[in-house]
Amino acid sequence: GAVVSQHPSRVICKSGTSVKIECRSLDFQATTMFWYRQFPKQSLMLMATSNEGSKATYEQGVEKDKFLINHASLTLSTLTVTSAHPEDSSFYICSARGGSYRTDTQYFGPGTRLTVL
Amino acid sequence: AQKITQTQPGMFVQEKEAVTLDCTYDTSDPSYGLFWYKQPSSGEMIFLIYQGSYDQQNATEGRYSLNFQKARKSANLVISASQLGDSAMYFCAMRGALNNNDMRFGAGTRLTVKP
Repeated sequence: GAVVSQHPSRVICKSGTSVKIECRSLDFQATTMFWYRQFPKQSLMLMATSNEGSKATYEQGVEKDKFLINHASLTLSTLTVTSAHPEDSSFYICSARGGSYRTDTQYFGPGTRLTVL
Repeated sequence: AQKITQTQPGMFVQEKEAVTLDCTYDTSDPSYGLFWYKQPSSGEMIFLIYQGSYDQQNATEGRYSLNFQKARKSANLVISASQLGDSAMYFCAMRGALNNNDMRFGAGTRLTVKP
């Protein structure tokens, strides 16, 4: 299956700092990338959708100035959590859509666990 | 609006037995896709199986099969010959044709395989 990488896998930062998370599709060109957030023992919540070269579309309730998304190429999207606070601590998962599977399936990265102290 | 419902927060199954994880959905889209993902404790979402709403046959992928009953709007996952490594969270998801970017997830079911 298609491979999506995410870096870093785990990050601990101080309150007020910014954190950048990278998401790469390794063996296919992703027409669309998605960013999800998952709280413990809960399901995935879509934060935003991004297409290469255009602005991301944010879900209702997600602050676009807080969570900056850049989709610079067909294989790379970044999520920057600006001025992070403890309530931003969560598991962030990216997903990329594309590849050869007939269903145009979304493939997920391994996730990034963010802890803000 | 789309809605995915997984009513089983937790399930137990004996090793080597089969287990069914329930998923029902609601959508007004005439065409949609249904997905199942596995999330082990590491957190990675692993794609398992896909069913298109117009597919004539139920999808199968190795030990995974999808019991798709369109009239009842259910897409249950059947895992045959359970293995200890199958212990994980399982999420049902749906994406409709009208909003082709919007994949909705169910609340998930935690499966525990007993030796």
